[in-house]
Amino acid sequence: KNEVEQSPQNLTAQEGEFITINCSYSVGISALHWLQQHPGGGIVSLFMLSSGKKKHGRLIATINIQEKHSSLHITASHPRDSAVYICAVRPGNQFYFGTGTSLTVIP
Amino acid sequence: KAGVTQTPRYLIKTRGQQVTLSCSPISGHRSVSWYQQTPGQGLQFLFEYFSETQRNKGNFPGRFSGRQFSNSRSEMNVSTLELGDSALYLCASSLGQPNNEQFFGPGTRLTVL
Repeated sequence: KNEVEQSPQNLTAQEGEFITINCSYSVGISALHWLQQHPGGGIVSLFMLSSGKKKHGRLIATINIQEKHSSLHITASHPRDSAVYICAVRPGNQFYFGTGTSLTVIP
Repeated sequence: KAGVTQTPRYLIKTRGQQVTLSCSPISGHRSVSWYQQTPGQGLQFLFEYFSETQRNKGNFPGRFSGRQFSNSRSEMNVSTLELGDSALYLCASSLGQPNNEQFFGPGTRLTVL
């Protein structure tokens, strides 16, 4: 049983397309994190959110705590957005991670 | 501000050996968390240290241990290495509140032969 489920697992898009990555979780949380991992391993924290919506540049993250669901949107996608996107939750003492969504944006 | 640094970046060991990995957090950060990432299991939480004390622990065997020093630098140790311990080991630092943003290091790639 996975506490965090992401979809899709793999995503290929043309440059400029609008992209949505979904994350559902089964545990009670106070906040959810979206992470980005580029080839080579480096991880960057994109968002931490506990309600509503956050926007940073072309990235938008939303969360519905009651429905235990979050989405990460990328507007006007670009090849440099190609990476693995991971959602993570921390109910209490442990972090739980989704398996990640591998995004490839084709020029 | 310098980011999180991890040493070494790459390591090759043989089964049965032990290994120590090091993580230097961002200056002022008191919490250091360790994670294991493998193709099969993805990212998994190992443990978190705060002010030299282990605050949280994931579901890993006792072969995995860690410590944190007074300057917040942290080490993790894996004893009696197994092939399945081959992974990318990441550390992340934060100010220490449960939902503070975490800043990740580049990772140590461990290969066990």
